[in-house]
Amino acid sequence: DAKTTQPNSMESNEEEPVHLPCNHSTISGTDYIHWYRQLPSQGPEYVIHGLTSNVNNRMASLAIAEDRKSSTLILHRATLRDAAVYYCILRDDFNKFYFGSGTKLNVKP
Amino acid sequence: EPEVTQTPSHQVTQMGQEVILRCVPISNHLYFYWYRQILGQKVEFLVSFYNNEISEKSEIFDDQFSVERPDGSNFTLKIRSTKLEDSAMYFCASRNRGDYEQYFGPGTRLTVT
Repeated sequence: DAKTTQPNSMESNEEEPVHLPCNHSTISGTDYIHWYRQLPSQGPEYVIHGLTSNVNNRMASLAIAEDRKSSTLILHRATLRDAAVYYCILRDDFNKFYFGSGTKLNVKP
Repeated sequence: EPEVTQTPSHQVTQMGQEVILRCVPISNHLYFYWYRQILGQKVEFLVSFYNNEISEKSEIFDDQFSVERPDGSNFTLKIRSTKLEDSAMYFCASRNRGDYEQYFGPGTRLTVT
C-alpha cells in the first residue's frame, strides 16, 4: 500500500482556516485519496475523497496537486468540534483501508 | 440518520476466553469491515466481508479470529482464545455498493486481563 506522510500535530485558532497537508509521493494512478477524522473516543468519520480534481463538500475542501504526490485538506473555518486526528489514506481497493498515524489537530478558542 | 451500532461498549474478559463482538451495520449496506485500535496507536484493518465471505484480511486476522453474519442484521467478530495483546478498541464499519464512504460504529473496548 502506498504510504502517506502527515505532520504529527497542528494547531489552529477557532474561526480560522486550517490546511492539513499530506504527502503521497508513491501514489499510483488508480489510488483514490481519502480523508477521515477521528474525534476523541469515537470511530473514524469520512470527511472527503478525490482522485485528480479538487473537491468540495459541506465539511471541507480537498486540494490535490497536479502530480498527485501531495494533497491538502482545507477546513474553511475551524471550530472546537473539529479538534480530531485527521487521516489521509490512499486506496485503490475498496476492500482494504489502511490508516496512517494521522495529524492531531488542536483548535484554540 | 442511519448509523452503525456495536455492542457491548466495553467487554472485559480473562485471557484464554472466547469473546464475540457484535455489530449492526446500516441496513442496506453490503460490505462490512472490522478494524482495531490499540490504545494510543493507529487504526488497523482486520477484515472485510461481502456476500457472506471474507474479501480481504490482514496479517493480524489469524486463526484466532473469525467473522460471521448470522442473520440479516448482525455482523460479529469472534476471538477464540483472547490474549493480553488483543486489548483494544474494535470498530465495525459498513459500506453500500457504489459508495466510497465507510460508516464506522462507536467501537467496543475489549480489555483482556
